[in-house]
Amino acid sequence: AQSVTQLDSHVSVSEGTPVLLRCNYSSSYSPSLFWYVQHPNKGLQLLLKYTSAATLVKGINGFEAEFKKSETSFHLTKPSAHMSDAAEYFCVVSDWGDDMRFGAGTRLTVKP
Amino acid sequence: DSGVTQTPKHLITATGQRVTLRCSPRSGDLSVYWYQQSLDQGLQFLIHYYNGEERAKGNILERFSAQQFPDLHSELNLSSLELGDSALYFCASSVSAGSYEQYFGPGTRLTVT
Repeated sequence: AQSVTQLDSHVSVSEGTPVLLRCNYSSSYSPSLFWYVQHPNKGLQLLLKYTSAATLVKGINGFEAEFKKSETSFHLTKPSAHMSDAAEYFCVVSDWGDDMRFGAGTRLTVKP
Repeated sequence: DSGVTQTPKHLITATGQRVTLRCSPRSGDLSVYWYQQSLDQGLQFLIHYYNGEERAKGNILERFSAQQFPDLHSELNLSSLELGDSALYFCASSVSAGSYEQYFGPGTRLTVT
């Protein structure tokens, strides 16, 4: 069965500095991987998805993630943080035919 | 706007009561998922319906039940409510079952007093 581990429960960065949110996954097959963002009191919004095409995936709002099979990782990055990026981020894994498994979430704080 | 609608937005009720949460998926989506999000448990998958049939069950209590109707909208029924059931309940939809991205509704905030 698939599972996902988000390595940091909280990440704090200064505005304009890079963002790195770490995610490791476990999967029996070739997984699909997703990152979702949740702003306070809002539903989850899809940032990006990996489905066995290009290993570097570009998403919305300048975010991207790289699928590394050898490291079983799918870390989320952004070159320059903006105040509006402050939110909770969820890494999600899904084996084909199975439902999604959500990570525990990483809270991103952006300091001015 | 994801295209997924949920009603009501907020619900306040007393322990022991029963409530129904409603979800309308995006146009054309056949799958509906229900999730519970609380501070102590995080985001928990409850149940998945695909084209009217139950597809998968997660951490759903026996006091909770769901169904998906022929027009594909779904309802989550919560009965004998306890204080610990206070949470945000999200509905999500996807085009099919399996590894397709899910689109989330804005959620229903349930407060049990």
